[in-house]
Amino acid sequence: EDKVVQSPLSLVVHEGDTVTLNCSYEVTNFRSLLWYKQEKKAPTFLFMLTSSGIEKKSGRLSSILDKKELFSILNITATQTGDSAIYLCAVNNYGQNFVFGPGTRLSVLP
Amino acid sequence: NAGVTQTPKFRILKIGQSMTLQCTQDMNHNYMYWYRQDPGMGLKLIYYSVGAGITDKGEVPNGYNVSRSTTEDFPLRLELAAPSQTSVYFCASSETAAGYTFGSGTRLTVV
Repeated sequence: EDKVVQSPLSLVVHEGDTVTLNCSYEVTNFRSLLWYKQEKKAPTFLFMLTSSGIEKKSGRLSSILDKKELFSILNITATQTGDSAIYLCAVNNYGQNFVFGPGTRLSVLP
Repeated sequence: NAGVTQTPKFRILKIGQSMTLQCTQDMNHNYMYWYRQDPGMGLKLIYYSVGAGITDKGEVPNGYNVSRSTTEDFPLRLELAAPSQTSVYFCASSETAAGYTFGSGTRLTVV
């Protein structure tokens, strides 16, 4: 059975800290890995990763994929209270099907 | 540009009642999905559709039905609500593997 595991499940930091969120996967047919940020409502798209070793960056957020070791990390530097959210990792295994991880709940304290 | 619109936002049902969760998208996407999100469990796929007139089961389809008569609309039907269906439901659409556009969710409680 295809699965996506995220760690930690919950994380509390203070503003200015740097955090690393982990996502590992076991799927029979890997096409891409995506990161989403979910605040009070719907998840919003952050990154899509398809190739190993190529960092995607957007402001203070960056992500990289290791297809050999089957994991990805999402880094957030200089965290702000607005970064508080659930971060979801999803793997596209075939067609338009995605397997989602349980999410990491990040709380950034002032 | 409304994106994906879900209604209602909240609903409380009694056991055995039925209801339809509405989902409409205005992006002309062929692919549409229904997910449920339980605490600590991520998103589980209920049903999906690759185009008008075509639907297929996802990971957790029992207790639900869908239809896709138009490209825009993808309603989800609960026929006999059960407490196990208490969850947050998300509709989404996509055109490529670059990610979904999600609706704002429906919080359903079955009592």
